[in-house]
Amino acid sequence: AQSVSQHNHHVILSEAASLELGCNYSYGGTVNLFWYVQYPGQHLQLLLKYFSGDPLVKGIKGFEAEFIKSKFSFNLRKPSVQWSDTAEYFCAVNYGGSQGNLIFGKGTKLSVKP
Amino acid sequence: DGGITQSPKYLFRKEGQNVTLSCEQNLNHDAMYWYRQDPGQGLRLIYYSQIVNDFQKGDIAEGYSVSREKKESFPLTVTSAQKNPTAFYLCASSFRLAATYNEQFFGPGTRLTVL
Repeated sequence: AQSVSQHNHHVILSEAASLELGCNYSYGGTVNLFWYVQYPGQHLQLLLKYFSGDPLVKGIKGFEAEFIKSKFSFNLRKPSVQWSDTAEYFCAVNYGGSQGNLIFGKGTKLSVKP
Repeated sequence: DGGITQSPKYLFRKEGQNVTLSCEQNLNHDAMYWYRQDPGQGLRLIYYSQIVNDFQKGDIAEGYSVSREKKESFPLTVTSAQKNPTAFYLCASSFRLAATYNEQFFGPGTRLTVL
């Protein structure tokens, strides 16, 4: 079955620390990849996306993600986190042929200590 | 101001009652979706619709029903057959259902509590 795995349920970092959140998907065909973020009390919003081309994708607020096809991974990174990055982060995958539907990971809560 | 609105923000229901959650979008998107979010479970797809008068079941459709009579509206009814309805419900839309255009935009959500 198609699935998306996020390795960490809860990550706690101090400000200025580097961040990497893992995301792996289960299917080897064509995929479109997304990271969404849900700040406390706010809408789920798109952080970045990969459809094709350069596997290193830059998003909003200094986030980036790298698509590594051989590892079925799309890890999210940020070199230096801020307290305002405290949120829940969701990786999502559209598997080609699934009529545009997204499969979401279970999410990773990030807490940044000031 | 374009976007997706969901109402109400909080909803309380007694066991055995049906309840309808509203979702409206003014983004002129063809496709609309309903998800359920539970702590530690991520988002799970309930129903989706790619065009007016058409909709398909998602992964957890049992106990739910939808309609799509207008492009901008996609209400979700949580029926008494849904065994564990207390959850946070998110509505989303995308320009089209085809893979290339499937960036989804989300509403603010409705938190349903069954008493």
